[in-house]
Parts: sequence; C-alpha cells; structure tokens
Amino acid sequence: DARVTQTPRHKVTEMGQEVTMRCQPILGHNTVFWYRQTMMQGLELLAYFRNRAPLDDSGMPKDRFSAEMPDATLATLKIQPSEPRDSAVYFCASGEDGMNSPLHFGNGTRLTVT
Amino acid sequence: GNSVTQMEGPVTLSEEAFLTINCTYTATGYPSLFWYVQYPGEGLQLLLKATKADDKGSNKGFEATYRKETTSFHLEKGSVQVSDSAVYFCALRDNNAGNMLTFGGGTRLMVKP
Repeated sequence: DARVTQTPRHKVTEMGQEVTMRCQPILGHNTVFWYRQTMMQGLELLAYFRNRAPLDDSGMPKDRFSAEMPDATLATLKIQPSEPRDSAVYFCASGEDGMNSPLHFGNGTRLTVT
Repeated sequence: GNSVTQMEGPVTLSEEAFLTINCTYTATGYPSLFWYVQYPGEGLQLLLKATKADDKGSNKGFEATYRKETTSFHLEKGSVQVSDSAVYFCALRDNNAGNMLTFGGGTRLMVKP
C-alpha cells in the first residue's frame, strides 16, 4: 500500500534551534496538508497545498513557521527559531483534490523543544 | 464557517458492548463526511466515509449514516473489541471551503476486557 512518509519520527531540540520536518506524499496526490496535534488544541491545520501552490497557511505562525513544496515528492515544514510551545506531533497528509477524496496521513513527527 | 462537534470522551465500554459516538456538523456547502481512527503512536487512518445524504459508510463492523436533516454522522458498532481502543475523529470536506478537511475534537474510546 502506498503511504505518506514523514521524517524524522522524533526530534528533540533546544529552544532557538531550527527544525525541519519532511514529508513525501503519495505519488499522484496533488493536495498536501500539514496539521499539528496537541492535547490542548487537538488537530490544527497549519498549511494546505494544491499542485504545490500554497492555498491556505492562515493557521501557521508566520514569524517562525514556513512551509514549502520544492517538488511534487517533497513537502517541508520549518520552524526557526523553535520554542517550547511548538512541542507537538506534526502530521502531513496527502490526497486527491475533490471533496469526496479522503486524506492519507503519515505517522507524524513528534517534536520536543526544551 | 464549517465545524464538526463530537461527544467528549473518554468513552469506556466493556468488550462486546454497543458503541455510539455522536457527531454533528455545520457546513456552508454540501460536504462529504468521514470517520478517522488514530491508534497510539500512529497517524490518522480513514475508517469510513459517506458522500451524500442517506449514504451509509461501513468498515470493520463500524457504520455511520449521513443524515442531512439532522446534520449528523454518528459512528456505531454493535460489539466492540479491546483492539478498537483508539481515538476517533469525525471530519468533513466541503468544496465551498476549498476542499479543506475540518476535524472534530476527537473521542477517545477505551474498551475493557
């Protein structure tokens, strides 16, 4: 079965450091989403791409977060500088465009900022 | 805007009990509806979906029916197993909202032997 691949699975870093999370969407999927999951906030949408173009990143703190798709096989989420409140699990999901199509999720990157 | 409301958990049941997790939604358009399941340490997996009114999605003994008149998509299972213990998320996708997926807050299910 095709799956969304995220790296790294776990990341521990110190406050102020840059963090880069990577996602390989399923081949042929033209939409990519980044979500953040915490106990307090649940699932929050951070960014949404269609055909590699950013459509919505209103949920993302612009001063420190950035999301890109350098090509169709790679999506990245960067945090610079990282802060302890960024500690969470970050999920990437991909799917075909269209409201009837489900999203397929990766297993997430668990980020801990100390 | 769109929103999804789920019953708060945790829901604790004994094995072989009947399960219902309530889900209601608000949407500007005519959405598709989904249930996802998340096992510990994993991402969300699609459990079932329904794309139009009165459709019933089903998978692994779970069912949910798209009720437009009550804007609901309740998840049911006739006999739960310990292995069903997980967090369940109701979600909608609406082309009036750019096809973004909107999630409910999730409901944790714990099944005891």
